Amino acid sequence: DGGITQSPKYLFRKEGQNVTLSCEQNLNHDAMYWYRQDPGQGLRLIYYSQIVNDFQKGDIAEGYSVSREKKESFPLTVTSAQKNPTAFYLCASSPSRPGTGVWKSNQPQHFGDGTRLSIL
Amino acid sequence: SQQGEEDPQALSIQEGENATMNCSYKTSINNLQWYRQNSGRGLVHLILIRSNEREKHSGRLRVTLDTSKKSSSLLITASRAADTASYFCATARLISISSGSARQLTFGSGTQLTVLP
Repeated sequence: DGGITQSPKYLFRKEGQNVTLSCEQNLNHDAMYWYRQDPGQGLRLIYYSQIVNDFQKGDIAEGYSVSREKKESFPLTVTSAQKNPTAFYLCASSPSRPGTGVWKSNQPQHFGDGTRLSIL
Repeated sequence: SQQGEEDPQALSIQEGENATMNCSYKTSINNLQWYRQNSGRGLVHLILIRSNEREKHSGRLRVTLDTSKKSSSLLITASRAADTASYFCATARLISISSGSARQLTFGSGTQLTVLP
């Protein structure tokens, strides 16, 4: 079955440490996204990528970094510069218009089951 | 930024009753989507309504959109205990970026629905 796999499910970060969250999809989608969700709140966009080797900052990119070396993978690194990293992180993907990478907005975004990050 | 705001923040009903959730947004949109999130899980897409549509149905779900008031509602009829979840509206809009254009989905803060057996 096609889908999005996020790992690990739970992650703990020590002070001053960078941690990387994995997101893999086998849906053949060009566009991928990272969202942060704080308790009782909606999702806020961290970074997105419409095509391999290209990505854009979202609303809350500070303290985070991403790479998009393969279509299937979009890892998120939470750096030590992110002072309040405790949150639920969700990865999503969506189909795009051929040749443009622009998300077909009449199609839904597909989500993984998230990674919960906490500070030790 | 949070474009959409859901109302109410929490809703508790008995099984078999209808549940209505409202969403307001601020800017022009391509479409509005509703998603469901079970506790500790990812989001699942429920239904999409385009900006030129006023009402849409899918099974026990009914969505309305009023672009003049920048608002939408989600109605779940004959609710079940399994409908207990958080429900989010999300608006899709086109933005300009350095390499051309992109579409973003902006989520509201959600309504926590509890259906009591």
